[in-house]
Amino acid sequence: SQTIHQWPATLVQPVGSPLSLECTVEGTSNPNLYWYRQAAGRGLQLLFYSVGIGQISSEVPQNLSASRPQDRQFILSSKKLLLSDSGFYLCAWSPGLAVNEQYFGPGTRLTVT
Amino acid sequence: QKEVEQDPGPLSVPEGAIVSLNCTYSNSAFQYFMWYRQYSRKGPELLMYTYSSGNKEDGRFTAQVDKSSKYISLFIRDSQPSDSATYLCAMMVGNNNDMRFGAGTRLTVKP
Repeated sequence: SQTIHQWPATLVQPVGSPLSLECTVEGTSNPNLYWYRQAAGRGLQLLFYSVGIGQISSEVPQNLSASRPQDRQFILSSKKLLLSDSGFYLCAWSPGLAVNEQYFGPGTRLTVT
Repeated sequence: QKEVEQDPGPLSVPEGAIVSLNCTYSNSAFQYFMWYRQYSRKGPELLMYTYSSGNKEDGRFTAQVDKSSKYISLFIRDSQPSDSATYLCAMMVGNNNDMRFGAGTRLTVKP
């Protein structure tokens, strides 16, 4: 069966510091991968998605970036965090092709102080 | 107008009640509809997935899609305290990686 991991689970970072969140998927090959941010009381906002190694699409302009160095690894980064970057970050995967369901990881709660 | 509207609640019901959760949407091109359950401080869990209009049943859960009214529902029968969570509706046009979510309805089932 497929499993998706995210780490760290919780992170507190000062404004202006760098960020690196990691997501890995097990038990599948060539998945589509997604990064979402969930603000309190709001729906999920798609930040990035990837259909293959090195292929990243950005949905919103921001100071975040994403990379996919390996087939089942997705990384979310920032060079300098802003207070507004605080939130719950979720990684998701889908089998791709004609399958639309997305499966989420446990999330990383980021607080920028 | 938001593309997907969902009443945030909170909704509180007694154990054993039938729960009705709903979303409306404005984009008539949506074809795929999903319901996710999210426990506090956890990632969303896919509950139901339906394509186009109609009903789909899975145990105590029934998902309904009415494309003519741009309205989807999730019914929970014989609700349990373990059903207490936030329920998110989600939908997409096709295999375009662009899923739109409702804000979520927070449900509490009291024993």
